[in-house]
Amino acid sequence: RKEVEQDPGPFNVPEGATVAFNCTYSNSASQSFFWYRQDCRKEPKLLMSVYSSGNEDGRFTAQLNRASQYISLLIRDSKLSDSATYLCVVNKGGTASKLTFGTGTRLQVTL
Amino acid sequence: SQTIHQWPATLVQPVGSPLSLECTVEGTSNPNLYWYRQAAGRGLQLLFYSVGIGQISSEVPQNLSASRPQDRQFILSSKKLLLSDSGFYLCAWTAWTGINTEAFFGQGTRLTVV
Repeated sequence: RKEVEQDPGPFNVPEGATVAFNCTYSNSASQSFFWYRQDCRKEPKLLMSVYSSGNEDGRFTAQLNRASQYISLLIRDSKLSDSATYLCVVNKGGTASKLTFGTGTRLQVTL
Repeated sequence: SQTIHQWPATLVQPVGSPLSLECTVEGTSNPNLYWYRQAAGRGLQLLFYSVGIGQISSEVPQNLSASRPQDRQFILSSKKLLLSDSGFYLCAWTAWTGINTEAFFGQGTRLTVV
């Protein structure tokens, strides 16, 4: 089983739609969680951290369910500029804080 | 502010040739540094990480090596490249924000071995 698993997509949605991505992780001792965004042929950039209580940043909402070991990202009112690959990231903690990345979910927002 | 520099941006190398990719970080001291590789259509794979000068940990057996000769310098090398070494190589450093650890990436090097 992969440490971090995501549906690769692609998710093709029209502008204005709401779309949700899920991610599962295998290590129950994982300490922190993130969503990164990666545009085509670019480096990943932090979109948002995911907190136990859930958190929202504008049109983006992230949720964490430790009992079921999954993380979600909800994007409301999708924009063309949201088209990208969304990477689920888990930090196992420890001295080096090694981040483990999922393979990403591709989102394509269309007119 | 902290910045991370990685070069070159693109590289085409023949099989069997050596490789040296360099990454430097500015604006922070004693950062944790990482090399990741992203093969076409695949996720990021952690290759090496370093918590200090001369301290290198390898995550996967491979044809590559890493070195950290200075606090803010991280180098990825190979003596003889293989076709399978092609990919997008990303250097990163992590910072503790007070709540959790975040990773910041360089712009990456797209390596094609021919």
